[in-house]
Amino acid sequence: GAVVSQHPSRVICKSGTSVKIECRSLDFQATTMFWYRQFPKQSLMLMATSNEGSKATYEQGVEKDKFLINHASLTLSTLTVTSAHPEDSSFYICTSDSGATEAFFGQGTRLTVV
Amino acid sequence: GQNIDQPTEMTATEGAIVQINCTYQTSGFNGLFWYQQHAGEAPTFLSYNVLDGLEEKGRFSSFLSRSKGYSYLLLKELQMKDSASYLCAPKWVSAGGGNKLTFGTGTQLKVEL
Repeated sequence: GAVVSQHPSRVICKSGTSVKIECRSLDFQATTMFWYRQFPKQSLMLMATSNEGSKATYEQGVEKDKFLINHASLTLSTLTVTSAHPEDSSFYICTSDSGATEAFFGQGTRLTVV
Repeated sequence: GQNIDQPTEMTATEGAIVQINCTYQTSGFNGLFWYQQHAGEAPTFLSYNVLDGLEEKGRFSSFLSRSKGYSYLLLKELQMKDSASYLCAPKWVSAGGGNKLTFGTGTQLKVEL
């Protein structure tokens, strides 16, 4: 089946620094990728929709200047958490467009900001 | 957005059957997924329903009623490893025309001996 590879799986960074998370579609072209965030014991919350070759669409309440999304090719979407703070510590996960009968998830990234 | 309602927690016995219900708003509805998620891991696909009725897949079955905005996930012959969070995720067509997935809060299932 289709595979979405997400890296890194875990990252610890200092407050004020930036962290980049990558999602690659390995055997298919992903024109659209979705980015979710999940706090402990909560559901996955959609942050933004990443569209290849165009600007991302952000959900209400998500700061687009803080969470920079780039989708420069059909196989790579990146999420950069800029000037990270402890409250940004969360589980971030990408998934491909569910136009088909299944949405393919990356492995997720556990971000800890200290 | 979509209002998704599923129980927060359920407990069942090993070998038993459990049904996890989910209700959702129907605006722009275009199918519904069920995912299993163990703590700290990515969700794992279980089932997808787009038409009314029951879809059976081994020990797992999923039912959908589009008119009622209702779905359930049925787990049979429960095993300890089935202890996890089960996420109901309706797919819907956004204003821009693309498909989106919105997740419920998840039902934490605990399987006991």
